[in-house]
Amino acid sequence: KNQVEQSPQSLIILEGKNCTLQCNYTVSPFSNLRWYKQDTGRGPVSLTIMTFSENTKSNGRYTATLDADTKQSSLHITASQLSDSASYICVVSPKTGANNLFFGTGTRLTVIP
Amino acid sequence: KAGVTQTPRYLIKTRGQQVTLSCSPISGHRSVSWYQQTPGQGLQFLFEYFSETQRNKGNFPGRFSGRQFSNSRSEMNVSTLELGDSALYLCASSLTTSGNTGELFFGEGSRLTVL
Repeated sequence: KNQVEQSPQSLIILEGKNCTLQCNYTVSPFSNLRWYKQDTGRGPVSLTIMTFSENTKSNGRYTATLDADTKQSSLHITASQLSDSASYICVVSPKTGANNLFFGTGTRLTVIP
Repeated sequence: KAGVTQTPRYLIKTRGQQVTLSCSPISGHRSVSWYQQTPGQGLQFLFEYFSETQRNKGNFPGRFSGRQFSNSRSEMNVSTLELGDSALYLCASSLTTSGNTGELFFGEGSRLTVL
């Protein structure tokens, strides 16, 4: 069964600290993995998209890594800011032939001053 | 360049009623997909339209339906509303179908409350 699991469910960190969010998936074969940031009451916004051949991609203070062998991805946030408070959603796309996307339930990050 | 526009942003309905939500994709985007988001379930795929054709459908009952017009605008309809249909309904557009590496652009969503 194709699944995407994220951990932790929620996380509270102090402003300026780093944190890492995890995503494990069983989708196979897989085409790409995406991380989205969703502010409360808003639509998700794309942070990174990685194909199976990429193992790291950065977007400012956000760095995503991918290990296609172990089917794990992580999102590392450096020097967190209050505006990083949001839900972070991992999304996995199967390889060609199916257009379903598989969504994780997200990690709720709260950055406190 | 205008983003994805969803209307209405908020609406309240009662059980048994029906609702129609609208989504205008980014200009030039031909794919529109719909998702239901609830606190416990996260984002769940409803269906995707590409060039007026439904390309894929999630595991939702037939009460949930959609369509896409020639200008790529899309609507989704939920009939015989149930309390459990209360959710944030998100629309996303992309140049190609969502399974490719093309980026998905989400709208702000339509928050439906069923009383």
